[in-house]
Amino acid sequence: QSALTQPASVSGSPGQSITISCTGTSSDVGSYDLVSWYQQHPGKAPKLMIYEVTKRPSGVSNRFSGSKSGNTASLTISGLQAEDEADYYCCSYAGSPTYFFGTGTKVTVL
Amino acid sequence: EVQLLESGGGLVQPGGSLRLSCAASRFTFSSYAMSWVRQAPGKGLEWVSAISGSGRSTYYADSVKGRFTISRDNSKNMLYLQMNSLRVEDTAVYYCAKESTNWPEDRLDPWGQGTLVIVSS
Repeated sequence: QSALTQPASVSGSPGQSITISCTGTSSDVGSYDLVSWYQQHPGKAPKLMIYEVTKRPSGVSNRFSGSKSGNTASLTISGLQAEDEADYYCCSYAGSPTYFFGTGTKVTVL
Repeated sequence: EVQLLESGGGLVQPGGSLRLSCAASRFTFSSYAMSWVRQAPGKGLEWVSAISGSGRSTYYADSVKGRFTISRDNSKNMLYLQMNSLRVEDTAVYYCAKESTNWPEDRLDPWGQGTLVIVSS
């Protein structure tokens, strides 16, 4: 088993919306509604942004939303802001138990 | 607010051993599973190991199975990762993270600040 596939980078201008994809297999993303997304600023610990595909933890902006179709999950950031510039990782439960993380996406605010 | 504080990282030679600790506070530690996740320099996140709230069930990534041992002391609110037969590729920042239930399957929140392990001769 290998990491989930994410685009290496995504960019957008302030106020725009961007979407990050996360492609797995029928054994992980496709089998469980247990996909989460983490934001990581340089030198900092990851922070949970989305869990169980679509849910937002308390305190996370509603500009962040998640979805899933088949073996691919997606994170959408609407109304892009400078503070959203960071690395983003998806993560899926894969049974056993075990987790697979995505390869990571660097979001740049132009 | 939940707090997780890792310690025990450092420089170790290939083949050596190291024990990481994670001190947990401000939640009922024994009620939650815990995980270790690592991040090699400039690389992505990799789940390493998880343990149930009771400590009776443990799980490992294939990359560390047989070399690492996860454990916990619920009386001290402490999580551990014993790392043996260390390899250069084990060099990473190691994070401990709290699961959302007694069983590791959903989400990791929050994470500690991490502790750096460098395996080098």
